[in-house]
Amino acid sequence: SYELTQPPSVSVSPGQTARITCSGDALANQYAFWYQQKPGQAPVMVIYKDNERPSGIPERISGSSSATTVTLTISGVQAEDEADYYCQSANSSGTYWVFGGGTKLTVL
Amino acid sequence: EVQLVESGGGLVQPGGSLKLSCAASGSTFSGSAMHWVRQASGKGLQWVGRISSKPKNYATVYAASVKGRFTISRDDSKNTAYLQMNSLKTEDTAVYYCSRGGTTVTTGGAFDIWGQGTMVTVS
Repeated sequence: SYELTQPPSVSVSPGQTARITCSGDALANQYAFWYQQKPGQAPVMVIYKDNERPSGIPERISGSSSATTVTLTISGVQAEDEADYYCQSANSSGTYWVFGGGTKLTVL
Repeated sequence: EVQLVESGGGLVQPGGSLKLSCAASGSTFSGSAMHWVRQASGKGLQWVGRISSKPKNYATVYAASVKGRFTISRDDSKNTAYLQMNSLKTEDTAVYYCSRGGTTVTTGGAFDIWGQGTMVTVS
C-alpha cells in the first residue's frame, strides 16, 4: 500500500525556520496537502495543492514541491506554531487517500 | 461558513455495530464529497473512506483495513453523512472525524473543513 514518509519530530527556536518534509512516489503527479493539529483539536488545513495557502493562514507558512518530496516551511516560528503537522495526498491513480505519519513541531 | 458536527460515538463490544452521523450546516453539502478519518489515541490520522456527491453517483471507496465492514452513506435532504461500522474490532478504537472534500478545481480535493470528532471505543 502507498505511504507518505515524514520525520517524527522537528525542533526549532522561536524566530527560526522550520522545514518538514514528506516523501512519496506519487507526489510527482498528485497534489499534496498539509494539516496542523493542536492537542485536543481537529486538524486544520494550512496548505492545499502543494503550495496554496487558505485565507486566515499566516504568510509565514508555505509549501513547496520537488519531484517526490514536498516541504512545509514555517518562517519566523512562533510558540503558537507548536503542533503536529500531517501531509496528505492520494495514490498514483487517485483512488484512495493517505496521510503521512505526522511530524511533531516543538518550539524550544 | 460550513460546519460539521459528528455524533453517535460510544462504547461497543468487539463484533458489534455502531453508526456515526456527520451533520453539516450550509448549502454546499450536497455538492461535496465527504470523507471519514480516524485517529487512535496518540497516533496519526488514518483515512477511512469517502462518498462522492450525486453527480458522481455517490461513489464510495474505503481503506483496506475497513473495507467490507464499514459503509459510508449520505442523505442530502438532511445534510448528513453516515458511517455504519460493523464487525468492530478493538483496533477500530479511535476518534472519528468527518471532513469535507473541497472541489478539485479550487482546492484540489483538500479536506478543507473538519468536524470536532466523536470517540468510538471497542472493548
